[in-house]
Amino acid sequence: GQQLNQSPQSMFIQEGEDVSMNCTSSSIFNTWLWYKQDPGEGPVLLIALYKAGELTSNGRLTAQFGITRKDSFLNISASIPSDVGIYFCAGSNTGNQFYFGTGTSLTVIP
Amino acid sequence: NAGVTQTPKFRILKIGQSMTLQCAQDMNHNYMYWYRQDPGMGLKLIYYSVGAGITDKGEVPNGYNVSRSTTEDFPLRLELAAPSQTSVYFCASSYSGQPLHGYTFGSGTRLTVV
Repeated sequence: GQQLNQSPQSMFIQEGEDVSMNCTSSSIFNTWLWYKQDPGEGPVLLIALYKAGELTSNGRLTAQFGITRKDSFLNISASIPSDVGIYFCAGSNTGNQFYFGTGTSLTVIP
Repeated sequence: NAGVTQTPKFRILKIGQSMTLQCAQDMNHNYMYWYRQDPGMGLKLIYYSVGAGITDKGEVPNGYNVSRSTTEDFPLRLELAAPSQTSVYFCASSYSGQPLHGYTFGSGTRLTVV
């Protein structure tokens, strides 16, 4: 199957700091998604990207579709305690099958 | 509006037993999906369906079966449970294949096979 690598695997940051994480693929995708998963819950869609180079924001979150179409980036500005969770990237060529990354676990220290 | 409802939330199975994981959505979504999530890993697609009567294999379909007799329901069947099927299972739905239209996950079923 497709291999999506997310880094870092985990992050421990102080409240108010900015966060950056990325996702790389061995294949080209035409859609990138970013999800957040809270403990015991299903993932919730944060941002969807459809075009190489696209930069999309959702509040304090900004994601970018990499120019090579093999990577994507997520930034969180001015982190707050409720940002805690696991962030997943997902990529697809067909729109029917999305391949998920291994996740970045974020801990925000008040 | 319940969204995507999965039952049961937790289940322990013995090796060789069978069970059905239930998934229902009330959003009139055409597309439905089953994923499994292993510890420290991302989600892997098991099966998906683009409409009633149509199902297709995902990345890890072995050991599972699905059916889609109605738009609302998409049950996942394990016939001979194996320890390798210990995982958290998520059902999801969307109006179309485009996530802009909404790609909603249920809260998961945690399955342990012993």
